[in-house]
Amino acid sequence: EIVMTQSPATLSVSPGERATLSCRASQSVSSNLAWYQQKPGQAPRLLIYGASTRATGIPARFSGSGSGTEFTLTISSLQSEDFAVYYCQQYNNWPPGGTFGQGTKVEIK
Amino acid sequence: EVQLVESGGGLVQPGGSLKLSCAASGFTFSGSAMHWVRQASGKGLEWVGRIRSKANSYATAYAASVKGRFTISRDDSKNTAYLQMNSLKTEDTAVYYCTRGVPAARGNWFDPWGQGTLVTVSS
Repeated sequence: EIVMTQSPATLSVSPGERATLSCRASQSVSSNLAWYQQKPGQAPRLLIYGASTRATGIPARFSGSGSGTEFTLTISSLQSEDFAVYYCQQYNNWPPGGTFGQGTKVEIK
Repeated sequence: EVQLVESGGGLVQPGGSLKLSCAASGFTFSGSAMHWVRQASGKGLEWVGRIRSKANSYATAYAASVKGRFTISRDDSKNTAYLQMNSLKTEDTAVYYCTRGVPAARGNWFDPWGQGTLVTVSS
C-alpha cells in the first residue's frame, strides 16, 4: 500500500502570506492525486484533483502541482477562511479509495 | 444541489452491530460508486470501503481493517447507500462519512461528502 507523507504537520502563516504544503508518495502515483480541506466539525471538501485541476467553485488562490511522488498545494494569499487541515489522497493504486496523508494543519501565526 | 446525508450513528457495545445510511440527492446516484471514509477523533482520514454501480455489478471492496465485519450495500430505488457494521471494536469509534467516487483514468477522487455520523463503540 502506498504511504502518503505530508509536511509540515503544522504550518503557521499570517493572513495574506503564501502557504506551501507538501505531499510525498512512497511510489509513483502519476498525477492521480487530490487535495481536500477540512475545517473543524465539518466534512472534507475537494479542492484539487488530477494534481492540478481546481474543483468547481474553488478560488484561484489555491493551486496544485507535481507528479510522480512529489506534490505541492499552494495558497497564494491566505484568507481567514483558509485556516484548516489539508489532506492529500492518492487514487492511483489499491485500495480503491486510495490512501490519505496524515494532514497539514494551517494555523494563524 | 448535490447532497449526501448520513444517519444511523450512535453508541454501541463492543461486539455489537450498527447500520448506517447515506441518502443522496442532486446527482445520478445509480451510476455512481459510493464510498465510506472514517475519521477517529483528532486523527486523519481512513478509507473503509466502496460499492460500485449496477453497471459494474455492484462490486464491493473493503479496507483490511474492516473486511469480514463490514458490508456495504445500496438501494438505487431509494438513492441510498448503507454500511452494515458487525463485530464492532473500540477502534471502530469514528465519524463515518459517505462520499461519491468520481471516476478518473485510475481510481476515484471524492466529491461531495456527507456531514458525517458519529459511531462510538464503548461498554
